[in-house]
Amino acid sequence: DAGVTQSPTHLIKTRGQQVTLRCSPISGHKSVSWYQQVLGQGPQFIFQYYEKEERGRGNFPDRFSARQFPNYSSELNVNALLLGDSALYLCASSLTAGGNSPLHFGNGTRLTVT
Amino acid sequence: EDKVVQSPLSLVVHEGDTVTLNCSYEVTNFRSLLWYKQEKKAPTFLFMLTSSGIEKKSGRLSSILDKKELFSILNITATQTGDSAIYLCAVETGTASKLTFGTGTRLQVTL
Repeated sequence: DAGVTQSPTHLIKTRGQQVTLRCSPISGHKSVSWYQQVLGQGPQFIFQYYEKEERGRGNFPDRFSARQFPNYSSELNVNALLLGDSALYLCASSLTAGGNSPLHFGNGTRLTVT
Repeated sequence: EDKVVQSPLSLVVHEGDTVTLNCSYEVTNFRSLLWYKQEKKAPTFLFMLTSSGIEKKSGRLSSILDKKELFSILNITATQTGDSAIYLCAVETGTASKLTFGTGTRLQVTL
């Protein structure tokens, strides 16, 4: 069974540019969450989507946005990139939003902003 | 603000040793506590704990939750070099699957 897949695996962007990261959840999972992991820290919650609706948002600026498609895949967009946005962006899927349904993570997209 | 604290921050042990990793938390609207293992990229799910005092076990790994004292431990017995990784503790809160993570414990198992 395929796990959570993310693309691209690596990305280098310049300050001020925009980036789109993609995620396909595990088959049958309807919830997708996005996390940012800076080196040496635990992942930080950015968004959760369930059945195409935003169910939660972390403490991130409006430059960060996301959406979920009818096939439950998701995109994370970041506008006006800053050096501080350099991080590993992790997507996770779960069967439901909350409850006894653990998150399963993809391998992430390593974003470098120069 | 929700807070999850893990200790120790890092640990070096010899193969065959037993280790105990700690996780304490202060959150509102607790739903569950989860342990993940992170080697290179994707955190891999280990355990989800929702009830106090019930040990969860998988091979050489086990974990228990104390909801009164607000902490959990992860035990690894007979450690192997393949156990070398960062172990992340996370607490799920609210109605969404929002996880608040600790900074992790870096475990290195040497021969």
